[in-house]
Amino acid sequence: QVQLQESGPGLVKPSQTLSLTCAVSGDSISDGAYYWSWIRQHPGKGLEWMGYIYYTGSAYYNPSLKSRVTISVDTSKNQFSLTLSSVTAADTAVYYCARKVAAPSKFDYWGQGTLVTVSS
Amino acid sequence: QSALTQPPSASGSPGQSVTISCTGTSGDVGGYHYVSWYQQHPGKAPKLMIYEVTKRPSGVPDRFSGSKSGNTASLTVSGLQAEDEADYYCSSYAGSINFEVFGGGTKLTVL
Repeated sequence: QVQLQESGPGLVKPSQTLSLTCAVSGDSISDGAYYWSWIRQHPGKGLEWMGYIYYTGSAYYNPSLKSRVTISVDTSKNQFSLTLSSVTAADTAVYYCARKVAAPSKFDYWGQGTLVTVSS
Repeated sequence: QSALTQPPSASGSPGQSVTISCTGTSGDVGGYHYVSWYQQHPGKAPKLMIYEVTKRPSGVPDRFSGSKSGNTASLTVSGLQAEDEADYYCSSYAGSINFEVFGGGTKLTVL
């Protein structure tokens, strides 16, 4: 059974960098059939795709966040990470990592999500 | 503002059918056969219910079905049950610039 687990600070100060890691178990992140994704959900709001990365390191980002987002992958640890720079209160959200199947296209496994609050 | 437009709410009585729409453009919903639907209960992660417009993952009841016409996709829940009460989100592949887009979500209430 594939499992994804987010980890990282639950509180980040404004203007600082948010960093989260997603540990993958039950599957190899180097399996070429998947893209490893970050999706966030502002409190009481809808889902926002942030970006995803292929095991080779090729990353694809939401154009609205591209200047602040970096997604990286560590195949040796079977995990991938998100950094979001220059955060503001508007970045307060639940952050999910998810596995996207390349074909057929679908986000089939999700982590439980982690709440990150941006506040001084 | 979400890229895909969904009604904020929908409702139906147990046993009835309800359809939720998801409207995009020719650059996303209308241009690709890659529409998915997700169910989210409060405090939980989204769960895949439909992918590639009409396909159901293993374990999803056949009461859930999907369709698409032009730039609008739809999710139909037949034989409504109490446990179907949740938020539902659509998503679509949107090409090599925007990649993935989601709808704003629809809160389904079982009366």
